[in-house]
Amino acid sequence: AQTVTQSQPEMSVQEAETVTLSCTYDTSENNYYLFWYKQPPSRQMILVIRQEAYKQQNATENRFSVNFQKAAKSFSLKISDSQLGDTAMYFCAFMKGYSGGGADGLTFGKGTHLIIQP
Amino acid sequence: DAGITQSPRHKVTETGTPVTLRCHQTENHRYMYWYRQDPGHGLRLIHYSYGVKDTDKGEVSDGYSVSRSKTEDFLLTLESATSSQTSVYFCAISHSPYRSGDNEQYFGPGTRLTVT
Repeated sequence: AQTVTQSQPEMSVQEAETVTLSCTYDTSENNYYLFWYKQPPSRQMILVIRQEAYKQQNATENRFSVNFQKAAKSFSLKISDSQLGDTAMYFCAFMKGYSGGGADGLTFGKGTHLIIQP
Repeated sequence: DAGITQSPRHKVTETGTPVTLRCHQTENHRYMYWYRQDPGHGLRLIHYSYGVKDTDKGEVSDGYSVSRSKTEDFLLTLESATSSQTSVYFCAISHSPYRSGDNEQYFGPGTRLTVT
């Protein structure tokens, strides 16, 4: 089984600043995917960014980028030029890269509540 | 937005009563999932389906059953609701969860269930 740990329950930064959310995971798998999901007050789950474990290059999506350290089992999310609309819960999630062997589906961390102050 | 609806969106029920939540998709995705979200726990997988009539248990399946008789519908049943099942329930769908670049899970709007 795998576990995902987000050690920052809440963070607060000023608008336009850069913020990094931490995520570590524990797994014996070698083939897997990692995700960051955003959940604004509307409660809708929105995919922010994804990373394939076999790719060394860090994923980027506009203002969002990750720092993927496979050996350290670390997957942090960096948000540049933060905006008020970035205020949300952010969840780190893990998924095996193959079917079978149980434990299919996403394994989530407990989340980080990010507040962007005006 | 992916075509996923959940019904009902809110429900209050009494301990011991049966409850069925419905997830309906219009995307023809093969994989469907039920998660529950509780404060301090993030989302946890209850059950999932990898095709019509093909289902399997997740991390927190005790007290829940599921059925999938059509591609578009995935039902979650609480046979005898308990207060510990008070939660927000999310359905998710995926086309190819194990294929790079096409493995996103799309989530429904959620159902808030309160068991009194």
